[in-house]
Amino acid sequence: EIVLTQSPGTLSLSPGERVTLSCRASQSVTNSYLAWYQQKPGQAPRLLIHGVSTRATGIPDRFSGSGSGTDFTLTISRLEPEDFAVYYCQQYANSWTFGQGTKVEIK
Amino acid sequence: QVQLQESGPGLLKPSDTLSLICAVSGYSITNNYYWGWVRQPPGKGLEWIGTIHHSGTTYYNPSLNSRVTMSVDTSKNQFSLQLTSVTASDTALYYCTRQYDGSGSHPAVLGCWGQGTLVTVSS
Repeated sequence: EIVLTQSPGTLSLSPGERVTLSCRASQSVTNSYLAWYQQKPGQAPRLLIHGVSTRATGIPDRFSGSGSGTDFTLTISRLEPEDFAVYYCQQYANSWTFGQGTKVEIK
Repeated sequence: QVQLQESGPGLLKPSDTLSLICAVSGYSITNNYYWGWVRQPPGKGLEWIGTIHHSGTTYYNPSLNSRVTMSVDTSKNQFSLQLTSVTASDTALYYCTRQYDGSGSHPAVLGCWGQGTLVTVSS
């Protein structure tokens, strides 16, 4: 099983700031099989990015994904008020597992 | 627009069998996408449970494989989850999901989610 470790656990930021979230895998994630989800309180998760860097339909271009092998990043170029949420990475190269999440909160 | 609605008992006793149904509306379950279940313990992260295609192909989380069964009822446009021998650690919000319908999608990429149903296991 591939274990995904997300860091940091919590980020306290202000609207307008740039955000970089990390997702590190215990072994290589092949075929770019990595996705990112956003979850707001009381809501189901929402797909943001799949295949490391492909935005899902309707996702603003301020969200971008990058990385390869064992290190992956989700970047939000400029935080909007609606972006404060928990973000999860998911790998689907070897079974399917999620990271533990990073909470982006308002400073 | 596809909508997913989970239903099932909200309270179970240890050793019971959890049975949930996901009713699909606005989309035929026999179209060529995968359907599945993800759970989230209160205040914690996400755990993939399993995925099924209407053809009967299934993929289960290895850690739950011995206790999980999923099935599809095409006549009712719904799919179901059974999890046997539940314990308190199975207490969670259970979501049903559908594969993302975008270009290049993989069955594991979850583009559509139900609102979730809370299942509590307690004696």
